[in-house]
Amino acid sequence: QLQLQESGPGLVKPSETLSLTCSVSGGSITSSSYFWGWIRQPPGKGLEWIASLSYSGSTYYNPSLKSRVTISVDTFKNQFSLKLDSVTAADTAVYCCARLGSGRFFDFWGQGTLVTVSS
Amino acid sequence: QSALTQPRSVSGSPGQSVTISCTGTRSDVGGYNYVSWYQQHPGKAPKLMIYDVTKRPSGVPDRFSGSKSGNTASLTISGLQAEDEADYYCCSYAGTYTVVFGGGTKLTVL
Repeated sequence: QLQLQESGPGLVKPSETLSLTCSVSGGSITSSSYFWGWIRQPPGKGLEWIASLSYSGSTYYNPSLKSRVTISVDTFKNQFSLKLDSVTAADTAVYCCARLGSGRFFDFWGQGTLVTVSS
Repeated sequence: QSALTQPRSVSGSPGQSVTISCTGTRSDVGGYNYVSWYQQHPGKAPKLMIYDVTKRPSGVPDRFSGSKSGNTASLTISGLQAEDEADYYCCSYAGTYTVVFGGGTKLTVL
């Protein structure tokens, strides 16, 4: 059974870089037909797509976050990562990693990790 | 890329049917047959309920169905059960492997 697990600091200072990793088990991150992505959910609010990564390594970003976001893959470790620069309190959220079927729907999700931006 | 529009809340009694709408534009909902729906219980990760407008993943009850007309997609839940009480989010493909979510709808089973 495919499993995704997010890891990274739970507290980040304003203006610094948020860095998270998603470890994938039970399946290969290089499997064709699947993309991999990050979604976030501020406390009490809705879901926001951040970025996706194809099996070939192509990257796709939410236009509203594109200037601050980098998504990358480590195929040897079967992991993919998210970096979000210059964070503010508005970036406080639960960050989830997920698998995308055909690059357009999220069929497997990690449990999510809360990242708080605060000094 | 603006969020899709969903009603903030809907409600229904056990056994009844409810429909949640999701309105976008020609650039997302109206332009592709790639709308998905997610159920989220408090403190839990979202769960895929419908993809590609009408398709149900294995294990999702056939009480859940999806449809689309123009720029509006809909999720219908028939034979409401207490465990259906949750937040529901729509999501649409918006071209070049980008997607956009709706603001979410809270379903209350009375």
